[in-house]
Amino acid sequence: AQSVAQPEDQVNVAEGNPLTVKCTYSVSGNPYLFWYVQYPNRGLQFLLKYITGDNLVKGSYGFEAEFNKSQTSFHLKKPSALVSDSALYFCAVSTPGGSQGNLIFGKGTKLSVKP
Amino acid sequence: EAQVTQNPRYLITVTGKKLTVTCSQNMNHEYMSWYRQDPGLGLRQIYYSMNVEVTDKGDVPEGYKVSRKEKRNFPLILESPSPNQTSLYFCASMNSGANVLTFGAGSRLTVL
Repeated sequence: AQSVAQPEDQVNVAEGNPLTVKCTYSVSGNPYLFWYVQYPNRGLQFLLKYITGDNLVKGSYGFEAEFNKSQTSFHLKKPSALVSDSALYFCAVSTPGGSQGNLIFGKGTKLSVKP
Repeated sequence: EAQVTQNPRYLITVTGKKLTVTCSQNMNHEYMSWYRQDPGLGLRQIYYSMNVEVTDKGDVPEGYKVSRKEKRNFPLILESPSPNQTSLYFCASMNSGANVLTFGAGSRLTVL
């Protein structure tokens, strides 16, 4: 069965420091991987995706993620965190062959960036 | 503006009183889906629709119904709501092959 794990419920970072939000996955076959962000009282917004090609994917708001097949990971990173990055972040996976909208979401990681 | 619109945004109801949460998208997307978000559980898919008149169960369909009579609308129906359906609900849509979901703002439902 497909699954996604976000091992940290919360990540705390000081403004200006680099941030990492971790994600590991388990699928049979090649994964499609996604990061979404949810700001308070808002729906989820797409940040970035990995389908194929370069393992380092760049997305919105300066975020990037690296696909690591051997470690089955897709960690979200940003070189310098902003207070406005504070939000709930979801990793998600789907596989080719199935409906690509049928994403399996992780439980979410709350990112808190302090001034 | 391209968007997914859900209504109502907030609703408090009582056990057994039928309710419908509407979802409409203006992007001509084929695919639409409903999720519920619960603390510690992330998002779980309730139902999805690949196109008009084509719907299928997601991971947690019990207690819910959907219909897709028009491309733009995908209402979620709770025939007899129960307290365990208290949750935050999201509708989403996607153009086939695009891989990216567009989400509505969410509907917070409380069943007493």
